Amino acid sequence: DTEVTQTPKHLVMGMTNKKSLKCEQHMGHRAMYWYKQKAKKPPELMFVYSYEKLSINESVPSRFSPECPNSSLLNLHLHALQPEDSALYLCASSSRQGNYNEQFFGPGTRLTVL
Amino acid sequence: AQSVTQLGSHVSVSEGALVLLRCNYSSSVPPYLFWYVQYPNQGLQLLLKYTSAATLVKGINGFEAEFKKSETSFHLTKPSAHMSDAAEYFCAVSDHGNKLVFGAGTILRVKS
Repeated sequence: DTEVTQTPKHLVMGMTNKKSLKCEQHMGHRAMYWYKQKAKKPPELMFVYSYEKLSINESVPSRFSPECPNSSLLNLHLHALQPEDSALYLCASSSRQGNYNEQFFGPGTRLTVL
Repeated sequence: AQSVTQLGSHVSVSEGALVLLRCNYSSSVPPYLFWYVQYPNQGLQLLLKYTSAATLVKGINGFEAEFKKSETSFHLTKPSAHMSDAAEYFCAVSDHGNKLVFGAGTILRVKS
């Protein structure tokens, strides 16, 4: 299995809602990533988990809360989001956190905040 | 810090013509470079990567890229464009904080 899966594919939420994005991989990868991609822009890194521990937080607002319950799963908990948080949220994984390890991306969750 | 610059936000070629997408990098150390492709409403797919083993790197779907240190370039080429190549292409460099830094992207249009 060489896939990174993400659910849901689309999500619409209000500014007072709490929701979660889910990412799963079964490639035995030990590094997992969350990216945010606005329309017509490249992906921007949000968080990196390495061996289930948070290793990089790119100064992301606390309304985004990542969680890595095990080596195959990565969640992104959302609370009190703003309309400007609407974007494509991409999950990725790599065998390890390291320069030469290519990242495999999921299809993304298209988030709309009303 | 490492960075990449993609020249040309849009490139248009005819079907069967050469595809050339330009990427220049800025790095104080030997870089690790990647090309990814993104089709509409999808995630990113790795086309190829440079990790210093060989300067000419062959990837999937007939794409290749050549690392030229003297020009700090890693341009992506394909001899003959196909309609299915129409997508957005991102060059990326892995910096020593173990992060991928992406260029702004180039949208490739293929005309029939």
